[in-house]
Amino acid sequence: GAVVSQHPSWVICKSGTSVKIECRSLDFQATTMFWYRQFPKQSLMLMATSNEGSKATYEQGVEKDKFLINHASLTLSTLTVTSAHPEDSSFYICSARDSMTVNTEAFFGQGTRLTVV
Amino acid sequence: AQSVTQPDIHITVSEGASLELRCNYSYGATPYLFWYVQSPGQGLQLLLKYFSGDTLVQGIKGFEAEFKRSQSSFNLRKPSVHWSDAAEYFCAVGPNQAGTALIFGKGTTLSVSS
Repeated sequence: GAVVSQHPSWVICKSGTSVKIECRSLDFQATTMFWYRQFPKQSLMLMATSNEGSKATYEQGVEKDKFLINHASLTLSTLTVTSAHPEDSSFYICSARDSMTVNTEAFFGQGTRLTVV
Repeated sequence: AQSVTQPDIHITVSEGASLELRCNYSYGATPYLFWYVQSPGQGLQLLLKYFSGDTLVQGIKGFEAEFKRSQSSFNLRKPSVHWSDAAEYFCAVGPNQAGTALIFGKGTTLSVSS
């Protein structure tokens, strides 16, 4: 079945540094990918919609200058957390649906646990 | 407004007992419904989905769900729970468009007692 690969699965960084998270659709094309943030014991909060070849669409309250999204190809979207702070520590998950197939579910990456120290 | 409600935050079921997780949705258009499961520190795995047709859908791991339009519900069931089913379960709704994100409920934590 379709697979979304997310890398890294966990990362620890120092405050003030930037961290890049990659999300790849391995066997399908995704003109749109989605980035979620999940706090402990909570649901997924949609942060932004990544659009191939154009600017991402951010949800209300999400700082676009802090969470930079690039969707340079039909199979790759990246989320860069810039000038990270401890409050950015969280579980980040990407998702994608096959752009060429109807009646398809959303596939999820395995998530990235970000810890900012 | 479009939303998904999972009324039960936490459910504990004895191993071998039956399970029902509730999901209610509010959606303006034809809903496409999903149940996902998440193990700790992992991404989400699709259990089953409903797009159209038979309102009782079968999924993986012995799960099934029934779509009831009149009740705006899509409850997840399993006749006999295994200890490995302990996880977080999310109900989601969305359009049949790849470019639109799904709307998730807050999730239900399932614990299985021996």
